[in-house]
Amino acid sequence: ETGVTQSPTHLIKTRGQQVTLRCSSQSGHNTVSWYQQALGQGPQFIFQYYREEENGRGNFPPRFSGLQFPNYSSELNVNALELDDSALYLCASSSRWTGNTGELFFGEGSRLTVL
Amino acid sequence: GEDVEQSLFLSVREGDSSVINCTYTDSSSTYLYWYKQEPGAGLQLLTYIFSNMDMKQDQRLTVLLNKKDKHLSLRIADTQTGDSAIYFCAESISNFGNEKLTFGTGTRLTIIP
Repeated sequence: ETGVTQSPTHLIKTRGQQVTLRCSSQSGHNTVSWYQQALGQGPQFIFQYYREEENGRGNFPPRFSGLQFPNYSSELNVNALELDDSALYLCASSSRWTGNTGELFFGEGSRLTVL
Repeated sequence: GEDVEQSLFLSVREGDSSVINCTYTDSSSTYLYWYKQEPGAGLQLLTYIFSNMDMKQDQRLTVLLNKKDKHLSLRIADTQTGDSAIYFCAESISNFGNEKLTFGTGTRLTIIP
């Protein structure tokens, strides 16, 4: 139990639709990262938010966007869904100021299926 | 750019040691991690090693780092059925260690009774 909660756990969308995924970070953590894990692959970094600003982005198009709120919770938005967006979306929280160990605390993910 | 490679599958008899290997390309990696993922679950950090270390031991887990060859391994002693999972190697090149992780494709560990 990491204290990171994600919603919804599963959802099905059709191509062209938009989706919003939500994440509540572990208490005291000020940084949230989002990863996409396609079936049979390792997680791929989408972006990270620190103090409500995007702080690093992976190789994902602009239709992937995010927000971080003052309470450090976060949203991932994906517009114009494509079939290849079907994946497990993982949120991870961390605290930038905890000894530089780099530990990320992952939620259990939101599984998105695009038909 | 960063690239992390792992073999896809490993089968080990219960009670034996498991050794999961990983190679990475970025010589400026600061931290290297091992994560475990059980079916339907998120990722759990097992252990990590700082790039200036050669070895780290934590109970049944031993991590070896060969920085010259960019090779990382995870040894699990006395492997149990509860160790069945997918194991991911990951690297970070950030000074804070938590800004972006690059993961391998994962090694599925199967325990043979």
